[in-house]
Amino acid sequence: EVQLLDSGGDLKHPGGSLRLSCEASGFTFSSYAMIWVRQAPGEGLEWVSGISESGTSTYYANSVKGRFTISRDNYKNTLSLQLNSLRSEDTAVYYCARRVPTYWAFDYWGQGTLVTVSS
Amino acid sequence: QSVLTQPPSASATPGQRVTFSCSGGSSNIGSYSVTWYQQLPRTAPKLLIYNSNQRPSGVPDRFSGSKSGTSASLAISGLQSEDEADYYCAAWDDRVNGVIFGGGTKLTVL
Repeated sequence: EVQLLDSGGDLKHPGGSLRLSCEASGFTFSSYAMIWVRQAPGEGLEWVSGISESGTSTYYANSVKGRFTISRDNYKNTLSLQLNSLRSEDTAVYYCARRVPTYWAFDYWGQGTLVTVSS
Repeated sequence: QSVLTQPPSASATPGQRVTFSCSGGSSNIGSYSVTWYQQLPRTAPKLLIYNSNQRPSGVPDRFSGSKSGTSASLAISGLQSEDEADYYCAAWDDRVNGVIFGGGTKLTVL
């Protein structure tokens, strides 16, 4: 059974840092590109970042470029998102998800982890 | 403000057919396939349609998708109470070099 387990969410002050993790199981992690999507309270979905199967290609939304870094460890089956220079508008539930090969579609999602940025 | 435009709400009664629209442009829907997600309250999104009209295994054939030009639509036939959820369209966009989502349509089953 494919499972994605998000963790690492916390309450941080503006300007702070945080590292989110997504532990994958039930599939060959190194064969799939992965992404992070976030959802602010009461709002819609926003794509944050993506990474290729090997980790050599990464993609970022303009809103997080230069502040967030996506990475993966294919030996530990783990996807990570380093969040720096946090702003109040980064407050959201962050989901990791698996990309359907060939398509920009995401077939399995983590349960989400809440990041709150507030003074 | 989303680049993909969806009506904020829709309503229908059980058994009816309901259709959701998603309007974009040449840099997204006009050039790439569309994906649809269902999000039940307080849960993660679920993939409903990919490649504009393909259903993943396990998604009932009551759900169907289509695309024409720079617009797409999702249809649900034989509406059920458990279909009450938020529905999002998404597509790759060349201008932002990333995936963009519509603002979502909240479906109420009366």
